[in-house]
Amino acid sequence: KAGVTQTPRYLIKTRGQQVTLSCSPISGHRSVSWYQQTPGQGLQFLFEYFSETQRNKGNFPGRFSGRQFSNSRSEMNVSTLELGDSALYLCASSGGRGYEQYFGPGTRLTVT
Amino acid sequence: GENVEQHPSTLSVQEGDSAVIKCTYSDSASNYFPWYKQELGKRPQLIIDIRSNVGEKKDQRIAVTLNKTAKHFSLHITETQPEDSAVYFCAASQASGSARQLTFGSGTQLTVLP
Repeated sequence: KAGVTQTPRYLIKTRGQQVTLSCSPISGHRSVSWYQQTPGQGLQFLFEYFSETQRNKGNFPGRFSGRQFSNSRSEMNVSTLELGDSALYLCASSGGRGYEQYFGPGTRLTVT
Repeated sequence: GENVEQHPSTLSVQEGDSAVIKCTYSDSASNYFPWYKQELGKRPQLIIDIRSNVGEKKDQRIAVTLNKTAKHFSLHITETQPEDSAVYFCAASQASGSARQLTFGSGTQLTVLP
């Protein structure tokens, strides 16, 4: 099976802009979770989607949002970008009864 | 919410020696504990996990132990090799029907010296 894929791999945006990141899970996986990774805060949970519904949400401001499509692909959106949003954004997919999460390669977002 | 503490933050060992990384968690409801290895510029890779109904799990040179009473779990790597050099993250989760939220430790940079 193909692994988790994310697009784009790199992004440079300016403060105040918005950005949309995409994640395609492993075929057959219906759960997609998003994480933010920074040197200072480490890996932090953003939200999780399952069957097009948000099941869990981490402690991030409302500028961070997401959605999931019927084919389980997921997008996350960050509006009104701030310098502190510069990070590696990782998505992970999980399937069936297993709780294992498999990560994609991430999208490196730089906000200038 | 859950809080996971991980120690040490850096660890250097000689090739062939063992390495041990320890984590503690705060939420007694957590019942799933994975470990991830992340090489520089790469995605986190699941290397081993353990559920709360098991005290120890092994996979070749890697083992994880769990002490539910003390709320801590550890990763053991034996016969370390240079390719084991990476950042290792522990995590905890309430693995129920609806939860896939992982709370991560802060990571351990393992360096295996040849």
